[in-house]
This record gives sequence, structure tokens and C-alpha cells, in this order.
Amino acid sequence: DAGVIQSPRHEVTEMGQEVTLRCKPISGHDYLFWYRQTMMRGLELLIYFNNNVPIDDSGMPEDRFSAKMPNASFSTLKIQPSEPRDSAVYFCASSEGGSRGRGTEAFFGQGTRLTVV
Amino acid sequence: GESVGLHLPTLSVQEGDNSIINCAYSNSASDYFIWYKQESGKGPQFIIDIRSNMDKRQGQRVTVLLNKTVKHLSLQIAATQPGDSAVYFCAETYYNQGGKLIFGQGTELSVKP
Repeated sequence: DAGVIQSPRHEVTEMGQEVTLRCKPISGHDYLFWYRQTMMRGLELLIYFNNNVPIDDSGMPEDRFSAKMPNASFSTLKIQPSEPRDSAVYFCASSEGGSRGRGTEAFFGQGTRLTVV
Repeated sequence: GESVGLHLPTLSVQEGDNSIINCAYSNSASDYFIWYKQESGKGPQFIIDIRSNMDKRQGQRVTVLLNKTVKHLSLQIAATQPGDSAVYFCAETYYNQGGKLIFGQGTELSVKP
């Protein structure tokens, strides 16, 4: 397996534009997570899905952020409209989940570095 | 005022020495504690985990110690190598949340050849 695949790797956009980040989790993983990393706040969980259903979105900063998982092999994180303070590295991760006795190993993608100018 | 980015704690060691990276956690109800390694430009990578009912676990060249009394976690790396240079994060999670991770601040390890 190629691991968790994120696209694009880098995104530069102007304030007010819509940004869509994409993620393909590892096949067979039941859980998908979106994290954001900044120097100020470190690694923060934004939202996670179990079997394509959003379980906890309490980390989503505000209504400008939305995430979807239309099927087991694809998820998107959308920011509309984007603002300079959204600049960060966004990571997607997936895991098999605790039900199979391997509850802690989440596999991360390479991340998308977003810059909003 | 102008915002300032956080500076990560840094540990600098000589190649071949042992490294000890420390972490304080906050939630005594967590089921697992995990260490992740993040190299520049990459996503975090799982190193080792420990269940809350254990106090020590060993892997290849790494040992994790858990002290629940003072809510402290440490990662020991034996014979540190230049390839170990990275930022190390501790994280905590619950068994039934599929690996939903709450990360600590991170420590930057620099290995001098």
C-alpha cells in the first residue's frame, strides 16, 4: 500500500478563495482523521470519521471549515472563505481502529502546506 | 500586538549517546500513550505505544516509561544516530476512538556526529 495520500502537497491561495484538500486513506482502515499543525498551536485534531461517518468535529475552528467522506477511499477538507490565519500544514491520517486490537497506530500522510496570502 | 511562534524544547546529543525525551500529560483517563517521530517535511510516524496499565515497554533501541503518579511519559533512545534527528511528540488516546490522538508540544532532538 502507498500509505495515506494527500493532495496537493502545497497550496498558495488568496484570502477569500475556496480551498479543498484531499485525502486517500489506507485501504481497509476504518478511521480517518484531519489534523492541523502550526507553530503556535502544535498538532490539533480537527475532525475524525469512523466508517465514513463524522464522529467528532469539535476541533473544527469555525463554519468556514467543512469535511466530507463520501466513501471509504476519499475525504476532503474545505475552507471557504480562506483567511491568512488558516495557513498551516494539514495532515490526514487513518487507522484500523481499536476493535481489532490495534487502536493506537495512526498512519499520517505527507501533509498539505497551505499558505493564504 | 505581534504574535510570536512557539519555540520547541530542544535536546542536543552526541551520536552514540543515549537520549531521553520527556513529556507531561494531562488526562489520567487515557488508555494509551504513544510516541511519534516527525522528520522535516513529513507527517508524524508511529514509534511505540504503551497501555495505561503498564509502566515500561521496550522496542528496538527505544524504551517508553510511564509514571501515572506524576503523569509523566518518557522515551529513551539507545545509541542515538543522526537519523534519529527529528521532532518527537507524545500523544494520548482512548481505546475505543480508533487512534484519535491528543498531541503534546513536541521536543526537537538534534544528534551531533
